[in-house]
Amino acid sequence: DAKTTQPPSMDCAEGRAANLPCNHSTISGNEYVYWYRQIHSQGPQYIIHGLKNNETNEMASLIITEDRKSSTLILPHATLRDTAVYYCIVRVEGYGQNFVFGPGTRLSVLP
Amino acid sequence: GAVVSQHPSRVICKSGTSVKIECRSLDFQATTMFWYRQFPKQSLMLMATSNEGSKATYEQGVEKDKFLINHASLTLSTLTVTSAHPEDSSFYICSARDAGGYGYTFGSGTRLTVV
Repeated sequence: DAKTTQPPSMDCAEGRAANLPCNHSTISGNEYVYWYRQIHSQGPQYIIHGLKNNETNEMASLIITEDRKSSTLILPHATLRDTAVYYCIVRVEGYGQNFVFGPGTRLSVLP
Repeated sequence: GAVVSQHPSRVICKSGTSVKIECRSLDFQATTMFWYRQFPKQSLMLMATSNEGSKATYEQGVEKDKFLINHASLTLSTLTVTSAHPEDSSFYICSARDAGGYGYTFGSGTRLTVV
């Protein structure tokens, strides 16, 4: 799986949008971009994933650059409960393929 | 949505004893489950891939005789930490994929403390 680079930590004010960047310059054409988050002492929670088009769901939006070398996860109105470690993972969509977790970004939402 | 139940959520055991952790897919069948380990302030590291009805595949550096994995049914995988030592204290997490879908769901994790 391709490696990703994320900032180790970010702060965001409550109620504001949180924009979490991820670089994946060596991504292959058949690799998807996944975002998971892990709240302290819990298992990772799926947020969103995409291949090349921008995606939006009830939790977040995913913006992928045209060259697919980077992406941004957007939490439109961050709350204190969004404080977590956010992982950007690129992987081939295939049955039996595991996820390779990097260090992620520790997002702190501040009151 | 798909739910993966992991039990127990936390366990304390004495050195030299064995501990079994269960991972169940509650509303879907999972032919493949993954076991991860996470030390404090570190990321998740894959330990092994558990395949229903066959032997697990272990990552390099993970002792298969110490971390016994059994995936006897499409909804249950177990990880047994044998002869536990304090350095085995960690957060263990399983994940499973819906055999009929594309999503991966993670369990809530098990905090193991060996004293």
